[in-house]
Amino acid sequence: ETGVTQSPTHLIKTRGQQVTLRCSSQSGHNTVSWYQQALGQGPQFIFQYYREEENGRGNFPPRFSGLQFPNYSSELNVNALELDDSALYLCASSSDPYEQYFGPGTRLTVT
Amino acid sequence: AQSVTQPDIHITVSEGASLELRCNYSYGATPYLFWYVQSPGQGLQLLLKYFSGDTLVQGIKGFEAEFKRSQSSFNLRKPSVHWSDAAEYFCAVGWGKLIFGQGTELSVKP
Repeated sequence: ETGVTQSPTHLIKTRGQQVTLRCSSQSGHNTVSWYQQALGQGPQFIFQYYREEENGRGNFPPRFSGLQFPNYSSELNVNALELDDSALYLCASSSDPYEQYFGPGTRLTVT
Repeated sequence: AQSVTQPDIHITVSEGASLELRCNYSYGATPYLFWYVQSPGQGLQLLLKYFSGDTLVQGIKGFEAEFKRSQSSFNLRKPSVHWSDAAEYFCAVGWGKLIFGQGTELSVKP
């Protein structure tokens, strides 16, 4: 059974640019959640997708957007990058709302 | 407001000693509670979870946690710590959307 995978592992972008992060969910999982983890902090919920529809959103501006595809993989897009967007972005997949399995994360650095 | 508090930012224990990491939560409904562990530069691994039933739950790697509704707590324990347990530990509450605490960094001295 393949776990949750994320790409790329690391990414460096310039302020104002746009970035797309990718996540492949664990086999059999139809729900994907995205979290932002700033250095020294706990993860913060960005949004969740269930069967290709957004199913809940945290306190993040609209420049954070996402997609879920028919195979349940997902993308997180961030427009107009700001320095404070530098963080570890974690994707988690699940087959129910309760138990989420996390990927290794994408480390985004905005300069 | 829904929140999770982990009062201890950093704990150091000797290898072989017992461990207790504290977690207090504020949540309006019946809480679903989790403990995750994160090694440096890695994602989160689920240690254990509580949904209902027996308030003492067993997890992986010899960890256990006890849910105390009267104290709004879900403390993580291990009777004998190994050097490989050094990591960051996160308590979380929620259903779908997880709310995490700030984490407790565990160091293990030989």
